[in-house]
Amino acid sequence: EADIYQTPRYLVIGTGKKITLECSQTMGHDKMYWYQQDPGMELHLIHYSYGVNSTEKGDLSSESTVSRIRTEHFPLTLESARPSHTSQYLCASSDETPTSYNEQFFGPGTRLTVL
Amino acid sequence: KNEVEQSPQNLTAQEGEFITINCSYSVGISALHWLQQHPGGGIVSLFMLSSGKKKHGRLIATINIQEKHSSLHITASHPRDSAVYICAVRSSVYSGGGADGLTFGKGTHLIIQP
Repeated sequence: EADIYQTPRYLVIGTGKKITLECSQTMGHDKMYWYQQDPGMELHLIHYSYGVNSTEKGDLSSESTVSRIRTEHFPLTLESARPSHTSQYLCASSDETPTSYNEQFFGPGTRLTVL
Repeated sequence: KNEVEQSPQNLTAQEGEFITINCSYSVGISALHWLQQHPGGGIVSLFMLSSGKKKHGRLIATINIQEKHSSLHITASHPRDSAVYICAVRSSVYSGGGADGLTFGKGTHLIIQP
């Protein structure tokens, strides 16, 4: 069973608020990802990290930012939430290396609603 | 850009039926994933494969690299199998840099009725 956690699971917040979505994994994985999934649509990569102090933007442009100060922790922040940010956000991790690709383990997701 | 197409989009079947979900992709890949997403939103990885066939319990996944096609089969389907099944692929162009996450299909929404 994957040990990757996301909090909160559900968040309803007003426009303009700053929010941070938490993601933690206890597997010691270096590679971590954030995906965004709109209702009924496919997942899109918005951020990823190769390890501590490494963050990169994904395929889908996002106004969110991420940080990776510790291996196990990969939080996502929205400085000023807007209704267009309403979506589900999924965090994942893998023990992928430059010479070995391995499966990703997904967290339970955070369903964000911005009013 | 790699496109991932799944069919059918929606499938309703009776308990006990044999289920097949298909996935086609457009470019070379290094790996293909089958994922299961329950109504709560969390995703579970069912299979990762790059060739041949894998089996786990009542689930079987096959891939044909030449035809760029994969299938997920469920034998003796059960209402607890009701979920969205997602196909995702990893491009074979892996440079160790760049946006190298997975490309996802839209998913197949499966309902198994008792």
